[in-house]
Amino acid sequence: DTAVSQTPKYLVTQMGNDKSIKCEQNLGHDTMYWYKQDSKKFLKIMFSYNNKELIINETVPNRFSPKSPDKAHLNLHINSLELGDSAVYFCASSPGLAGENTQYFGPGTRLTVL
Amino acid sequence: GQQLNQSPQSMFIQEGEDVSMNCTSSSIFNTWLWYKQDPGEGPVLLIALYKAGELTSNGRLTAQFGITRKDSFLNISASIPSDVGIYFCAVANFGNEKLTFGTGTRLTIIP
Repeated sequence: DTAVSQTPKYLVTQMGNDKSIKCEQNLGHDTMYWYKQDSKKFLKIMFSYNNKELIINETVPNRFSPKSPDKAHLNLHINSLELGDSAVYFCASSPGLAGENTQYFGPGTRLTVL
Repeated sequence: GQQLNQSPQSMFIQEGEDVSMNCTSSSIFNTWLWYKQDPGEGPVLLIALYKAGELTSNGRLTAQFGITRKDSFLNISASIPSDVGIYFCAVANFGNEKLTFGTGTRLTIIP
């Protein structure tokens, strides 16, 4: 009955590699998000998609490319990984706009770049 | 950029004590949310506030949306061990998809 799921839970990789994180929600929501939480626990939005269309891109390096094949999925692909990309990445979804709707978060993917 | 400051940054309390934390913004927002993050998990919504001056309770939790729309507080009464975690405030405006999170308050319960 998982509402928002992410895979993998942990990802350890070498600098320069390309990796992907997958997210799926079974809540029927229209809007999905990717957040990055750094080592100080600061949580910052990266992207938002509404009905498969990009609506927020918070000055994230273009090495990060979100892909939404359908409303229930929002995957995050990262090229040429750098040490500073190490963080926990959270996917979230909401029925609609953040100002009027609760966001439901996935369990997170801890990315470690060596 | 938008500053959303939470205080205190961390709290060490004994089980049974009441807890109070707050969140202040340099800008006005129409939606104030309080989330809790357990270790190794994603944030979970505790309370949502949509009206200035609104006071809302959820069990032992009470939160208020400041009348100026620039602040909010969260109180936890009679703390229990499962209250341990990081509490985040978050803000948004109607018609805007972006949720901005505060700096977090880490709650630790001393045995």
